[in-house]
Amino acid sequence: ETGVTQSPTHLIKTRGQQVTLRCSSQSGHNTVSWYQQALGQGPQFIFQYYREEENGRGNFPPRFSGLQFPNYSSELNVNALELDDSALYLCASSLALTTEAFFGQGTRLTVV
Amino acid sequence: AQSVTQLGSHVSVSEGALVLLRCNYSSSVPPYLFWYVQYPNQGLQLLLKYTTGATLVKGINGFEAEFKKSETSFHLTKPSAHMSDAAEYFCAVTLTGGGNKLTFGTGTQLKVEL
Repeated sequence: ETGVTQSPTHLIKTRGQQVTLRCSSQSGHNTVSWYQQALGQGPQFIFQYYREEENGRGNFPPRFSGLQFPNYSSELNVNALELDDSALYLCASSLALTTEAFFGQGTRLTVV
Repeated sequence: AQSVTQLGSHVSVSEGALVLLRCNYSSSVPPYLFWYVQYPNQGLQLLLKYTTGATLVKGINGFEAEFKKSETSFHLTKPSAHMSDAAEYFCAVTLTGGGNKLTFGTGTQLKVEL
């Protein structure tokens, strides 16, 4: 149990729709990172937020966007869903930029 | 840019046998290296990490890994496999320290047989 919770655990969306995934960080953690893990693959870094500001982004298109709130919880938004967006989305929080990241259990998104 | 290669997408060992999972990295600067384990339908759990200092790193559940700069490797070992070790294992690298902005390998599925 890492103290990082993600909701919902499973989600089914139709191609073209929009989706919002949520992450509640461990208490006191000001840094959150999001990863996409396609079936049979390792997680891929999407972006990171530090104190409500984006602090680095991986190779993902602009339709992947995020927010971090004053309480350091976070959202991942994906617009215009494509079939290839089907994956496990993982959130990881850390106390600071250079400390250990703790992962949530993920949200399984299926796009049909 | 950094990258990680995990040799062998599936590894099978007998219970009590040595576990060896291979990881090679590519990095232009000294990297920080990690091994994570993922059980079905769960997130990632940190097994161990190398930042600086001692090149032999001990982690949880009896696992250890050795950072070999000359071989650009960070292989994961456990002297005696247990059935509960069956899971997927990921090697990861970052240049930023801690466990942030990780670049992961494609994973190795470990099967432990009686």
